[in-house]
Amino acid sequence: NAGVTQTPKFRVLKTGQSMTLLCAQDMNHEYMYWYRQDPGMGLRLIHYSVGEGTTAKGEVPDGYNVSRLKKQNFLLGLESAAPSQTSVYFCASSQDRAQPQHFGDGTRLSIL
Amino acid sequence: AQSVTQPDIHITVSEGASLELRCNYSYGATPYLFWYVQSPGQGLQLLLKYFSGDTLVQGIKGFEAEFKRSQSSFNLRKPSVHWSDAAEYFCAVGLSGNTPLVFGKGTRLSVIA
Repeated sequence: NAGVTQTPKFRVLKTGQSMTLLCAQDMNHEYMYWYRQDPGMGLRLIHYSVGEGTTAKGEVPDGYNVSRLKKQNFLLGLESAAPSQTSVYFCASSQDRAQPQHFGDGTRLSIL
Repeated sequence: AQSVTQPDIHITVSEGASLELRCNYSYGATPYLFWYVQSPGQGLQLLLKYFSGDTLVQGIKGFEAEFKRSQSSFNLRKPSVHWSDAAEYFCAVGLSGNTPLVFGKGTRLSVIA
């Protein structure tokens, strides 16, 4: 049972490039989340989804887009990467809003 | 505005000493409460949770937390810290409805010999 799997684990981009981070969960969870973690800032919610085909904005959504075409997958896209988006990105899932979230191991993204 | 505060950014304790990490929240109703731990290079792992009932909650790795409604607090405790407990600890709070959890900014725990 893999839980929550994030792909890739590391990536270096140049400013202006685009990329997609993939999150896959095998627990049949309804809710999925994307966070970014920066030193001293804790976890900040970027976007989340309460079910297949739905997405909603979190605390820091600007510069990111998401899609939830399949229940098990939640994609985070950067259309035109900026140095301010250098961060560690975490995906999480939960059965519902009140249940604990299960986290992936993160994607370390550097934008030069 | 709703918020979760972890007042201590960094705490250092000696191995074998007791530990208490503080968490305060500002919500009108009784929320759902969680503590997570993050080891370096890892994702967050759930330590314990409080939904209702007994206000003293037991978790994994020998941790416990106590919900105090009058103080809007949910402090994490461990009677004897081990070197492997060095990590970052996050408190999280949830409310009814579809609003996602709100996380505190974390407390980094260092353990010295």
